[in-house]
Amino acid sequence: DAGVIQSPRHEVTEMGQEVTLRCKPISGHDYLFWYRQTMMRGLELLIYFNNNVPIDDSGMPEDRFSAKMPNASFSTLKIQPSEPRDSAVYFCASSASGRETQYFGPGTRLLVL
Amino acid sequence: GQQVMQIPQYQHVQEGEDFTTYCNSSTTLSNIQWYKQRPGGHPVFLIQLVKSGEVKKQKRLTFQFGEAKKNSSLHITATQTTDVGTYFCAGNPGTYKYIFGTGTRLKVLA
Repeated sequence: DAGVIQSPRHEVTEMGQEVTLRCKPISGHDYLFWYRQTMMRGLELLIYFNNNVPIDDSGMPEDRFSAKMPNASFSTLKIQPSEPRDSAVYFCASSASGRETQYFGPGTRLLVL
Repeated sequence: GQQVMQIPQYQHVQEGEDFTTYCNSSTTLSNIQWYKQRPGGHPVFLIQLVKSGEVKKQKRLTFQFGEAKKNSSLHITATQTTDVGTYFCAGNPGTYKYIFGTGTRLKVLA
């Protein structure tokens, strides 16, 4: 199994631009989680899906952030417009059930200038 | 809101010394997980604890879940340079939403 796949691995963009992060969970996993990691705030859960349905998006910082999961093998996290304070590492994770092991992807390192 | 705190934030040890990180939740947890993140890497699952007072061992690592299910600890015996990284606990308050602790960054000096 290839594990959780994220793309791009690195993204550098300018303030105001749209950023789209992509995630392919492990096949057969019903739960998908998006996290953001910064030095100041640590690892924060942004949103999670169960069977492609968003269950809890209370961690999404503001309306500039949106996430979708059109099918069981693909999810996106979009930031529009991006701001320098969005610079962070964004991780996607999946699990077979909500309370089992979460498998993290390698992350996308986002830098907004 | 629900919080999970870890102490210490940083720990430097000489190779061969023991290391312990503590995790405290503001609410009772259904279960708790521990993860390790190497520098520049992603969190990797270590273990899950479910029962009150549970103790689990993985080679030199010992994990404990408190009787009240609000705290947990990870103890490493005789640290090695391969133990370097940040250790996170992640508490589940009863939903499927894990709250990650602040992490303890371990540095092992050879």
